[in-house]
Amino acid sequence: EAGVTQSPTHLIKTRGQQVTLRCSPISGHTSVYWYQQALGLGLQFLLWYDEGEERNRGNFPPRFSGRQFPNYSSELNVNALELEDSALYLCASSFKDRPNYGYTFGSGTRLTVV
Amino acid sequence: RKEVEQDPGPFNVPEGATVAFNCTYSNSASQSFFWYRQDCRKEPKLLMSVYSSGNEDGRFTAQLNRASQYISLLIRDSKLSDSATYLCAVPRNSGNTPLVFGKGTRLSVIA
Repeated sequence: EAGVTQSPTHLIKTRGQQVTLRCSPISGHTSVYWYQQALGLGLQFLLWYDEGEERNRGNFPPRFSGRQFPNYSSELNVNALELEDSALYLCASSFKDRPNYGYTFGSGTRLTVV
Repeated sequence: RKEVEQDPGPFNVPEGATVAFNCTYSNSASQSFFWYRQDCRKEPKLLMSVYSSGNEDGRFTAQLNRASQYISLLIRDSKLSDSATYLCAVPRNSGNTPLVFGKGTRLSVIA
């Protein structure tokens, strides 16, 4: 069974640019979660999508947005990049109605903003 | 109290030692709890789920204390390969809601 896949693995962008990160969940998982892991700050929840709808949003500015497609894959968009957006962006997926199963993470996209 | 709080460590222990980490949480309605392991520059991987009083898997035991709102992870007979950061995760609310992660506890097992 394929795991959660994310692309690209690494990215370097200039301040002010825009970036799109992609995630494909495990087959059968309808929920997709995005987290940011900056150095020293732990995993910070960004967004939760389920069945094409945004279900919850973390404490991030509106320039962080995303969407989920009918096949349950997801995109995270970040506009007007700032230096502090440099981080590992992790996507996770889960079954919607099985909260006891936890999340499975992809290997992440490492974004560097210069 | 923070949503999820962990002692950052590092815990430096010799091979064969027993080590325990605690994690406190603020939401008393949380029903399920998780321990993840994260190796350096890698993604977190689910280690154990806890949704009753506790769970055991080989050398690893997770326990839940609802009255005091903490979960613990006990590692017996530590191996060099156990060196990693251990994250606890708790749903923000009850049911299927986003997990809130602690900052993690770093473990180094020394030969």
